[in-house]
Amino acid sequence: QKEVEQDPGPLSVPEGAIVSLNCTYSNSAFQYFMWYRQYSRKGPELLMYTYSSGNKEDGRFTAQVDKSSKYISLFIRDSQPSDSATYLCAMKTRGSARQLTFGSGTQLTVLP
Amino acid sequence: DTAVSQTPKYLVTQMGNDKSIKCEQNLGHDTMYWYKQDSKKFLKIMFSYNNKELIINETVPNRFSPKSPDKAHLNLHINSLELGDSAVYFCASSQPGGNEQFFGPGTRLTVL
Repeated sequence: QKEVEQDPGPLSVPEGAIVSLNCTYSNSAFQYFMWYRQYSRKGPELLMYTYSSGNKEDGRFTAQVDKSSKYISLFIRDSQPSDSATYLCAMKTRGSARQLTFGSGTQLTVLP
Repeated sequence: DTAVSQTPKYLVTQMGNDKSIKCEQNLGHDTMYWYKQDSKKFLKIMFSYNNKELIINETVPNRFSPKSPDKAHLNLHINSLELGDSAVYFCASSQPGGNEQFFGPGTRLTVL
């Protein structure tokens, strides 16, 4: 079993839809939770970062962490075609040598 | 003013050959990484260097050897290439203790 599991998709939604992307993990020592966005043929770029449990909002994006359930989510409101990309969750333990453990990514397509 | 750059962008080669991928970052970061992304988008860390010193060396065949001539450069040399080495290789960098990693555009390696 992988340390981080992510719904692989692919996910296809109409423009304006609310998108929910999810990851579960098994290592209770993870403290830092991130979402990276990767456009086709590009490198991943950090989208959202959360420390420990709770919610964080940035524009149309909301990241949620539920450490008791070992479950993290990324919500995208009013999705746009420009949101079409692969979304990778990533997490890290405290004090680790800056090593991130990634999920396998969810490919999202937002249809105009 | 590219932050993390990699060369070449594409690499097509025969089994058994030796090849190198170069990475440079101009962000002033101390830590650099090599990741391998397979065809299913799973991103797995291979190596990490902090200030030219190897700090992470995941279970990677000895045919892969990273070299860091200075903290702005981390090159990856691969000996005796195999079909299974075909993947996209990403270089990344981060600040000491930072949670955000900045990725290069990737090198798409195809072994025939």
